Amino acid sequence: SAVISQKPSRDICQRGTSLTIQCQVDSQVTMMFWYRQQPGQSLTLIATANQGSEATYESGFVIDKFPISRPNLTFSTLTVSNMSPEDSSIYLCSVEVDAWGEKLFFGSGTQLSVL
Amino acid sequence: DQQVKQNSPSLSVQEGRISILNCDYTNSMFDYFLWYKKYPAEGPTFLISISSIKDKNEDGRFTVFLNKSAKHLSLHIVPSQPGDSAVYFCRRHGSSNTGKLIFGQGTTLQVKP
Repeated sequence: SAVISQKPSRDICQRGTSLTIQCQVDSQVTMMFWYRQQPGQSLTLIATANQGSEATYESGFVIDKFPISRPNLTFSTLTVSNMSPEDSSIYLCSVEVDAWGEKLFFGSGTQLSVL
Repeated sequence: DQQVKQNSPSLSVQEGRISILNCDYTNSMFDYFLWYKKYPAEGPTFLISISSIKDKNEDGRFTVFLNKSAKHLSLHIVPSQPGDSAVYFCRRHGSSNTGKLIFGQGTTLQVKP
């Protein structure tokens, strides 16, 4: 298993500003994932963050909007840049701790509201 | 296009009764299906899984059924308890990197005392 600390838990931000979300894991993991859950929607994968390489972004998400850092095997950040009200969502980091990746562990999420 | 779909956004049941949550999928290969439960202000947590080589997997009050011919899986909760009220996501895990990270839309279960 893995214990994931994610912060902030919630924030209210002004349009045009940026917010950086941090994710700390209690063990070393190869792959970390960032998800978004818009109101009433499913979990949508934003990107996969691997240590020592550029993050891999899913269709519809770009690095300029969602820059990701992965400085080591226990930590990652996701920045939501130049925010608009459409970015209001829950953002979740996740890790897989087994080779088969059958069980993802999630942080508690960041509830972001953009005014 | 590998997808999982949960066509019922919400479900309400009485405490003690059975809750049945459904999930449909496409493009099946060797796959592993998982159910996650999510409470408000918390991340999803793993609940139960089933391999495509099985038809049923049971863990206490939770049972997952897999109907491969219909490409359908269901989660049964018996008896339902108020603490089961949450959003339930089905997820498929397959051999491809894309397939391993696909979630359904979620079903909000409300169990009334």
